[in-house]
Amino acid sequence: QVQLVESGGGLVKPGGSLRLSCAASGFTFSDYYMSWIRQAPGTGLEWLSYIDSSGSKIYYTDSVKGRFIISRDDAKNSVYLQMNRLRAEDTAVYYCARGEIGNSLNNWGQGTQVTVSS
Amino acid sequence: DVIMTQSPDSLAVSLGERATINCKSSQSVLYSSNKMNYLAWYQHKPGQPPKLLIYWASTRESGVPDRFSGSGSGTDFTLTISSLQAEDVAVYYCQQCYTIPWTFGQGTKVEIK
Repeated sequence: QVQLVESGGGLVKPGGSLRLSCAASGFTFSDYYMSWIRQAPGTGLEWLSYIDSSGSKIYYTDSVKGRFIISRDDAKNSVYLQMNRLRAEDTAVYYCARGEIGNSLNNWGQGTQVTVSS
Repeated sequence: DVIMTQSPDSLAVSLGERATINCKSSQSVLYSSNKMNYLAWYQHKPGQPPKLLIYWASTRESGVPDRFSGSGSGTDFTLTISSLQAEDVAVYYCQQCYTIPWTFGQGTKVEIK
C-alpha cells in the first residue's frame, strides 16, 4: 500500500536550517507530483510547495519562497524540503503528500514536528 | 491568492443527523476547459494525517463512505455528512487546487451533540 514517511524534524534556533525527507513506497514514485503542507499549532493547513513528476515544475507559497527548496530523488523514492533562515512562525507539523486527480492530495505522511525556538 | 472561507467554524450534530459544511472561494475554481471544479475536501482527526474525502467538488475518493457527499460549483461548495457517525468527529477542510498557491479553508470542527 502507499506509504509516505517523513523524517528530519526537530528543534532548531531561529535563523537555522533543517532538511526534511519523505520516503515513499507502494507506488511508482516517479509518476507522481508531490507537495509539502504544514500545520502550525492551533491553526489550519497551509500548502507550502509542489514539485511535478519530472522535477521541472516547482512552486512555493509566498511565506517560504526564497527560504525553502523542494527537490526529489526518484532513485531513492524521496522528496525533500530544505528549510533555511527558519523563523519562530515556521514551527509546525510538516506533512508530505502525493498529488492525484484534480490536484487533490490523496495520500499523506504522518508528519514530522519542526520547532524553531531559541 | 484565492481565499477559502468555511462556515460554520464548528457545529454539533446528533448521531444519525445531517451535518452540512459550506465553503466559499474568493474566485471561481471551475476550469473552463474540462468543466471541473478544482475543489477538494479533507477530514483531519487529532494525531492523524488529513484524509482526502472528495475531489473535483463531488467525486468521492475510493473507500470513503457514501454518507459523505460534495456539491457546488464555481465559488460555492458544500460537504454533507448525511448521517453523522461517532467516527466522523474531526476537523474538515476545503481546498482549492485550481491556482497556485493552493489554499485551504480555516477548517470546520464537527462534534457530537
